[in-house]
Amino acid sequence: EAQVTQNPRYLITVTGKKLTVTCSQNMNHEYMSWYRQDPGLGLRQIYYSMNVEVTDKGDVPEGYKVSRKEKRNFPLILESPSPNQTSLYFCASSLYFTTGTSGGASTDTQYFGPGTRLTVL
Amino acid sequence: GQSLEQPSEVTAVEGAIVQINCTYQTSGFYGLSWYQQHDGGAPTFLSYNGLDGLEETGRFSSFLSRSDSYGYLLLQELQMKDSASYFCAVRGGSWGKFQFGAGTQVVVTP
Repeated sequence: EAQVTQNPRYLITVTGKKLTVTCSQNMNHEYMSWYRQDPGLGLRQIYYSMNVEVTDKGDVPEGYKVSRKEKRNFPLILESPSPNQTSLYFCASSLYFTTGTSGGASTDTQYFGPGTRLTVL
Repeated sequence: GQSLEQPSEVTAVEGAIVQINCTYQTSGFYGLSWYQQHDGGAPTFLSYNGLDGLEETGRFSSFLSRSDSYGYLLLQELQMKDSASYFCAVRGGSWGKFQFGAGTQVVVTP
């Protein structure tokens, strides 16, 4: 089954204790991204990766790190979590993007993982 | 920078038609997408517009006007299962950068 998986699904931790949220996709997608979702704010992009070893910042990268050593995996690392990082986190992947704006349902389609609910005390 | 605006909530009865508008500001535009999210679930892709005009996918249609920086999602023949949050998302600024709107809660009543 084609899917994006995240682990753990739920995590309660304490301030300053390093943690990693894993994300894996089995669709051979080039593009992967991390988002956080907070009430009333929609989804905000943290980091994204266009391919292996290529990562870039989204709108809210502070306090997070990522790496893309393999095509299928894109872990999110919180080196020193703080309470303002309490949120619902989603990983997403996409096959590719068109070089122009010719459109098409197969482009720009992001497949989301089930989410990780993180609480930092 | 980028910003997107969409209504916070829309209520309609079963069988009705709902239009969710989305206006955006971006320094470089590559496409507008729409996603549905049920309570407790993950967002799922509904529709994409890269060029001006209407895209139709079953009961859902999406429209884009790049000159007006405006798009909408049209939900027809509303069903109870359509009660969910709907997000517009713009890819712009940088090639892989996305920004999502705050979401529109659609409530379908009998």
